[in-house]
This record gives sequence, C-alpha cells and structure tokens, in this order.
Amino acid sequence: AQTVTQSQPEMSVQEAETVTLSCTYDTSENNYYLFWYKQPPSRQMILVIRQEAYKQQNATENRFSVNFQKAAKSFSLKISDSQLGDTAMYFCAFMSHNYGQNFVFGPGTRLSVLP
Amino acid sequence: DVKVTQSSRYLVKRTGEKVFLECVQDMDHENMFWYRQDPGLGLRLIYFSYDVKMKEKGDIPEGYSVSREKKERFSLILESASTNQTSMYLCASRGQGDRFFGPGTRLTVL
Repeated sequence: AQTVTQSQPEMSVQEAETVTLSCTYDTSENNYYLFWYKQPPSRQMILVIRQEAYKQQNATENRFSVNFQKAAKSFSLKISDSQLGDTAMYFCAFMSHNYGQNFVFGPGTRLSVLP
Repeated sequence: DVKVTQSSRYLVKRTGEKVFLECVQDMDHENMFWYRQDPGLGLRLIYFSYDVKMKEKGDIPEGYSVSREKKERFSLILESASTNQTSMYLCASRGQGDRFFGPGTRLTVL
C-alpha cells in the first residue's frame, strides 16, 4: 500500500520570502501522479499543482513549483514570493496511474505567512 | 467551473442520532467520494461511488453507509452517530481528470 509522509506539521514564512514544504511517499509502482492541494482556513480545498511520474520536468504553476525526485520518492513544493493568501493547510497526495480511485493523502502541513 | 456543494457547513448532532450528509456536483462526474479529515491524519477515504447505485468501501467505512440514487448526488449516512465521528467531512467528485472538493461539513457529535 502507498503511504505519503509530510514531516513538517507546521511552518511559517515571512511575506515575500520563499518556503519549501516536504513530502515523501512510498510505492512500488512506476507510473503515478503526485499532487499538492491547498486548504485555506474555512475554505474549499483546491489543487495547486500536479506532477506525472513519467515526466522528468518539474511542474510549475506561477509562484508554485515542485522538486520531484523519483528515485528518492520525494516531492517537495516551493512557494516563491509568499503572500498572506498562501496561509493554508497543504496536503501532498499520491494517485496510482492504473487505479484512479487509489488516492492517498499525507497528514498535511500548516503554513502561516507572516506580515 | 466545477461546483461541488455540501448541504451543511456545520452540524451538531447527539449520540445515537441518524445523520445525513449530502453532496451535489454539477459536472456530470461519474466518480464521487466521501473523506474524513482529522488533524495529523490527513484525509481518509470512507466510501466512493463510480456510478449511480454503485458504491465501494474505502479505508474507514465502519459506522457509515452511502447512497447514490442520482448521478449528481452522493449521500453519507451515519446510522447511529457516535462521538468518535466528530470530524470534518469532505466530498469530492472526479470525471476523467482531477478531483474537485466540496467546502466540507464540520460535524460535532455530542
């Protein structure tokens, strides 16, 4: 069974600074997807970024980028130029390529962006 | 935009009550999911449905049941609520692509 680990329960960063959230996972599969989701306080969970395991290039979405290290089974999220609106819970998630219902979340990292 | 809505944002029930949590999506998605979110545990899958009247158990189905009579609606039922079911409940739907989440229902069982 797949597992997803986020070793940082809480983090904080100053506004405009850069922060990196860690995620490691365990799987025996070769094809899969990895995700970062953001859940702002009292608001809906939304997808931040997606990475397909067969793509070597790291995914980027504006200020959000990932460092995908397949051999190390590591999938960290970098937030550049942090904004107050980035304050949220961030969840790393794994989805098997062949079994789309198999979607595993990590425990989450609570990020606070400080003014 | 995909919309996934849940019937209540906050709900308070008493032990032993029957509780219905409803989820509606407007994008004709085949797959719908119910998750439970607890601090330090992330999201855990309770049940999912891949078609009308079809359902599959997730990782923690005990104490829950579901109903999917129409494609757009997926209900989570707590037959006899217990205090250990106090939690945040998230519904999600998925077509061929990403999952979309509802706003969540924070259920407190007294």
